[in-house]
Amino acid sequence: ETGVTQTPRHLVMGMTNKKSLKCEQHLGHNAMYWYKQSAKKPLELMFVYSLEERVENNSVPSRFSPECPNSSHLFLHLHTLQPEDSALYLCASSQVQGRNNEQFFGPGTRLTVL
Amino acid sequence: GDSVTQMEGPVTLSEEAFLTINCTYTATGYPSLFWYVQYPGEGLQLLLKATKADDKGSNKGFEATYRKETTSFHLEKGSVQVSDSAVYFCALKSGGGADGLTFGKGTHLIIQP
Repeated sequence: ETGVTQTPRHLVMGMTNKKSLKCEQHLGHNAMYWYKQSAKKPLELMFVYSLEERVENNSVPSRFSPECPNSSHLFLHLHTLQPEDSALYLCASSQVQGRNNEQFFGPGTRLTVL
Repeated sequence: GDSVTQMEGPVTLSEEAFLTINCTYTATGYPSLFWYVQYPGEGLQLLLKATKADDKGSNKGFEATYRKETTSFHLEKGSVQVSDSAVYFCALKSGGGADGLTFGKGTHLIIQP
């Protein structure tokens, strides 16, 4: 595997389910990110982990819970979601050092909440 | 706060036409600027970037110049191909380290043969 991978690619869940999204980066980076991409809206930054510590949480509802067990893996745990949470969830990684460190994105998980 | 404004599509062009997608930004300090491209069913790929005023980023025939005086980073290509059909996102990064990106809404580009 190369780059940034995400599983599953598609997920359909009911509002009472609990599920997790997984992201893995194979680039040797030390920062990881979750973004939400909804139709007709800009990508929204949800969470940032730098050196395995959460450094940003952009007022995301508590029904989304991130976990970063090591610098290569990032999870997004989902519970009691709402239909408006249906979106494409993108994971990205980068190097922390340096000002101009670009982010590399995974293919995303398409989430549908029924 | 930081923001990015880009023309919304869809933008429909014929093959070999000249392309311009406008992008303007508001940011504190001197941000780095990026163009990402998203093909159907895929994640975002970095297309090009510029890190300081008057820098020109280029890749795959696409170019964009960091214009501080007009706070713009317009994307251009001289002759588009059908394979360029995708959604293009302008983005900025104000700080260093692990700061997130601020994105525009994206421009859907459709190239017809």
